[in-house]
Amino acid sequence: GESVGLHLPTLSVQEGDNSIINCAYSNSASDYFIWYKQESGKGPQFIIDIRSNMDKRQGQRVTVLLNKTVKHLSLQIAATQPGDSAVYFCAENGGQTGANNLFFGTGTRLTVIP
Amino acid sequence: EPEVTQTPSHQVTQMGQEVILRCVPISNHLYFYWYRQILGQKVEFLVSFYNNEISEKSEIFDDQFSVERPDGSNFTLKIRSTKLEDSAMYFCANRDRSGANVLTFGAGSRLTVL
Repeated sequence: GESVGLHLPTLSVQEGDNSIINCAYSNSASDYFIWYKQESGKGPQFIIDIRSNMDKRQGQRVTVLLNKTVKHLSLQIAATQPGDSAVYFCAENGGQTGANNLFFGTGTRLTVIP
Repeated sequence: EPEVTQTPSHQVTQMGQEVILRCVPISNHLYFYWYRQILGQKVEFLVSFYNNEISEKSEIFDDQFSVERPDGSNFTLKIRSTKLEDSAMYFCANRDRSGANVLTFGAGSRLTVL
């Protein structure tokens, strides 16, 4: 299978601070990446995606950065809120057009301290 | 917002028994997937299904597993003879068209094999 891994399994931040969650991938053919958020007892929920022809993409309070040179992906959450506490997964498509399936990383548990 | 609905939410079964997990996909979504997540581990791809046939499957999806759309709408995952290591959270996911990469996940079915 593909190797998609995360640098840190857990991350604790103070409410209001910015969070940065990192992800490394090994398949240089991957051209599509997604961040998912998984709250306790729920399925993964889409947060933001990015294609390999971009370096940065912004959403509402979230930014994804892609460094293809070192095969690294990060998710930045601005002004972290208690509701952001969850496990965050990066996923990549292994270079398959149309993302017939996704390869997930191990996940980082983000805990927001009030 | 359209949802993927999965039943049962939790099933406990004896080793060797057959289990069927059910998924009601989002209307007009054409691509179906099953993923599983062993407790504390990453989300793993099992199988993808399109046009009433399997389009791709992983090494995990061996002869004990099967999928079908018995009535043209529901999407099921069957495990013929469960093993202890089949205990996991099983997620159904949908994708709406070949050009769209985002998978929408259900809340999952937790399978516990005793």
